[in-house]
Amino acid sequence: TQLLEQSPQFLSIQEGENLTVYCNSSSVFSSLQWYRQEPGEGPVLLVTVVTGGEVKKLKRLTFQFGDARKDSSLHITAAQPGDTGLYLCGVLANAGGTSYGKLTFGQGTILTVHP
Amino acid sequence: ETGVTQSPTHLIKTRGQQVTLRCSSQSGHNTVSWYQQALGQGPQFIFQYYREEENGRGNFPPRFSGLQFPNYSSELNVNALELDDSALYLCASSHSTDINSPLHFGNGTRLTVT
Repeated sequence: TQLLEQSPQFLSIQEGENLTVYCNSSSVFSSLQWYRQEPGEGPVLLVTVVTGGEVKKLKRLTFQFGDARKDSSLHITAAQPGDTGLYLCGVLANAGGTSYGKLTFGQGTILTVHP
Repeated sequence: ETGVTQSPTHLIKTRGQQVTLRCSSQSGHNTVSWYQQALGQGPQFIFQYYREEENGRGNFPPRFSGLQFPNYSSELNVNALELDDSALYLCASSHSTDINSPLHFGNGTRLTVT
């Protein structure tokens, strides 16, 4: 069983459309992170959300943390081809020692934006 | 500021062989974590090194081992390679005393086991 379930797994849209990606769990988290990974590169952190109900905006990207801190969403407005990539949500999970740096990721959403 | 660099970028090995992957952490970072990412999946945590010692391990067998050197660079070693070890191996560095600083990932090493 995945700790984090992301949906949809694949998303193929036209430039200018809006979209939402979801990250769900039955567990409560103190914080949750969103990353974007482009082909041939490592993941890059987009945002960290820490407070239930929190909304953060990064240009055309809007991130929301659920009130119960079990789920999160990423909404992209007027998608552009440059938004194409793998979107990952991740949470810190205990694996012994300190918890810092031990991220557990969802399986990701592969987004393709066509010109 | 130098980012995280990994070498080699691509590698092809045969089942049963051994492989060593290398990572140079970002300047100022003394903690290195390794992740395995299968095609189309999210990365899975292998282990973390801090002060040259393993500081936590994910669900990977002992044939996955690592080292961290005094300059904070790190190696991932995999023995007795299996076909399922084919994946992108990502290294991420972080500053151990700053829990709010993000993980900085390298671009990975693509390992193919035939």
